[in-house]
Amino acid sequence: QLQLQESGPGLVKPSETLSLTCTVSGDSIKSGSDFWGWIRQPPGKGLEWIGSISYSGTTYYIPSLKSRATISVDTSESQFSLKLSSVTAADTAVYYCARNFFDSVTYRSYFDPWGQGTLVTVSS
Amino acid sequence: DIQMTQSPSSLSASVGDRVTITCRASQSISSYLNWYQQKPGKAPKVLIYAASILQSGVPSRFSGSGSGTDFTLTISSLQPEDFATYYCQQSYTYPRTFGQGTKVEIK
Repeated sequence: QLQLQESGPGLVKPSETLSLTCTVSGDSIKSGSDFWGWIRQPPGKGLEWIGSISYSGTTYYIPSLKSRATISVDTSESQFSLKLSSVTAADTAVYYCARNFFDSVTYRSYFDPWGQGTLVTVSS
Repeated sequence: DIQMTQSPSSLSASVGDRVTITCRASQSISSYLNWYQQKPGKAPKVLIYAASILQSGVPSRFSGSGSGTDFTLTISSLQPEDFATYYCQQSYTYPRTFGQGTKVEIK
């Protein structure tokens, strides 16, 4: 059973870089046409997709964060990571990692499963 | 970017009620539409993908329909465990975008 687990600091100072890692277990991160994504949720608000990466390193980002976000993958460790630079209080959120599963029957993709999420607070 | 707009933002319903949530895309997305359920303090869980396909393990009281720009999530008989927030999400193109959510509360 595929499982994802986020890890990283829960508190980041303004203007610094947020760094999170998602560890994939139970299946290979090199799985077919799947991508691996980061989604965040500010307290009391909705979901915002940040970006996704394939195991070969192809990336997609939301335009509003593209200049500050970097997603990378380490297949040897079955991990993918998010770095978000120059953070402000507006980046305070629960950050989720998720598999962006590609269904080869319907040619549709969806996020499943998700990690449990980790709260990152930006504060001095 | 494709904007996803859900309605209503919240609703109150009783156990046993039929509940319908709508999601509208700012441009046609064919059937590239997913629905998620999120309970407080938990990660979202996919209920329906490709607009109408029920994810394995999801109760059959959930159903989805629609194509193009207008989509619907229906809960045929609301159960106590269904009180949660529901999100639609388009997978037609990047950036992936979610609706703002619909909170289903107990009447």
